[in-house]
Amino acid sequence: DAKTTQPNSMESNEEEPVHLPCNHSTISGTDYIHWYRQLPSQGPEYVIHGLTSNVNNRMASLAIAEDRKSSTLILHRATLRDAAVYYCIRSSGTYKYIFGTGTRLKVLA
Amino acid sequence: KAGVTQTPRYLIKTRGQQVTLSCSPISGHRSVSWYQQTPGQGLQFLFEYFSETQRNKGNFPGRFSGRQFSNSRSEMNVSTLELGDSALYLCASSLASVTDTQYFGPGTRLTVL
Repeated sequence: DAKTTQPNSMESNEEEPVHLPCNHSTISGTDYIHWYRQLPSQGPEYVIHGLTSNVNNRMASLAIAEDRKSSTLILHRATLRDAAVYYCIRSSGTYKYIFGTGTRLKVLA
Repeated sequence: KAGVTQTPRYLIKTRGQQVTLSCSPISGHRSVSWYQQTPGQGLQFLFEYFSETQRNKGNFPGRFSGRQFSNSRSEMNVSTLELGDSALYLCASSLASVTDTQYFGPGTRLTVL
């Protein structure tokens, strides 16, 4: 089975950039890469998504490798509110989200 | 605009029983997806509905089923509950496409004794 792997946990100092990596064992040319994050006792919330090229929004940036088998979520200046579990997701075919294992981000004051 | 709501928030059942969970999407959203979240398996896709039709499903046994009504509200049903079905069940809604942002509800915590 195709797997999406992420480090179990990462730490960052407040106001410093954070790079969260993700690897896909298999990804097709039409699969989108999404990132969501989940705070305790809440459902996941959208962060960013992309297909082939790098993407930016007000929350983060997404860098996608040329072969698309890896991507990196970049939080430019981590805040305490960014502490959460971050999920990298491959949308397989259509309408089917395959979640990665998730990275628990700890932000140190 | 009201968010995705799920009812009930907590549920306790015993093995062999069946359960129905409900999800009300954001107004105007026509796609509803269901996920199971457990500590061991993480977040796993169950199925997705659009305009009352199931468009895709994950790798779950037939005991897990769902439906969507004409107002886009959705229900999922689990029959013959097993201990391993204890999980947080999350519902997400989006406008229509896989590239549209999914908005998740708070989930229903199901405990099977």
